[in-house]
Amino acid sequence: DGGITQSPKYLFRKEGQNVTLSCEQNLNHDAMYWYRQDPGQGLRLIYYSQIVNDFQKGDIAEGYSVSREKKESFPLTVTSAQKNPTAFYLCASSIGWGNEQFFGPGTRLTVL
Amino acid sequence: GDSVTQMEGPVTLSEEAFLTINCTYTATGYPSLFWYVQYPGEGLQLLLKATKADDKGSNKGFEATYRKETTSFHLEKGSVQVSDSAVYFCALSDNNNDMRFGAGTRLTVKP
Repeated sequence: DGGITQSPKYLFRKEGQNVTLSCEQNLNHDAMYWYRQDPGQGLRLIYYSQIVNDFQKGDIAEGYSVSREKKESFPLTVTSAQKNPTAFYLCASSIGWGNEQFFGPGTRLTVL
Repeated sequence: GDSVTQMEGPVTLSEEAFLTINCTYTATGYPSLFWYVQYPGEGLQLLLKATKADDKGSNKGFEATYRKETTSFHLEKGSVQVSDSAVYFCALSDNNNDMRFGAGTRLTVKP
């Protein structure tokens, strides 16, 4: 089955620690995205990548970093510089820039 | 820039009631329009889409028509079920910009 996987589903970290969220897709999509969702809120774009080895900052990139070394993988690192990291993180991909996006199941990060 | 505005929630309906969730957009070009649904604790799923004016997207009893003259893409369902309780997001995209989402509308259907 083709799709997007995110792991883990729940993640707990201590304040001050960096943490990396995994996102893998087997849809052969060129573009991938990371969003943050806070309770009762919409989606905010953190980073996006239109093609392998290239990525761009979204609306709220501060305190986050990404890499895109392989087409199918787009990991997100939440660094200690992110002031309020507790949130629900969603990864998405699309066949190309501007096309409909397919979402993973999300990772809920809680920083204690 | 492009943007989407959807009606604020929450919306609470009784089972078998008629549903309308309003969505209007602002875009310089000719975007594609989408409705996504998010069930509790899950990611977003594409519910329906329309790629040009007057197109009607439909799925699972939900419908929305791309109205260029009113820049709208309202979501409707004739008879909602408890299982339709979720958050619904209107979105648009075009080749020049990333996808833009509305703030989401939470729907609760009571038996």
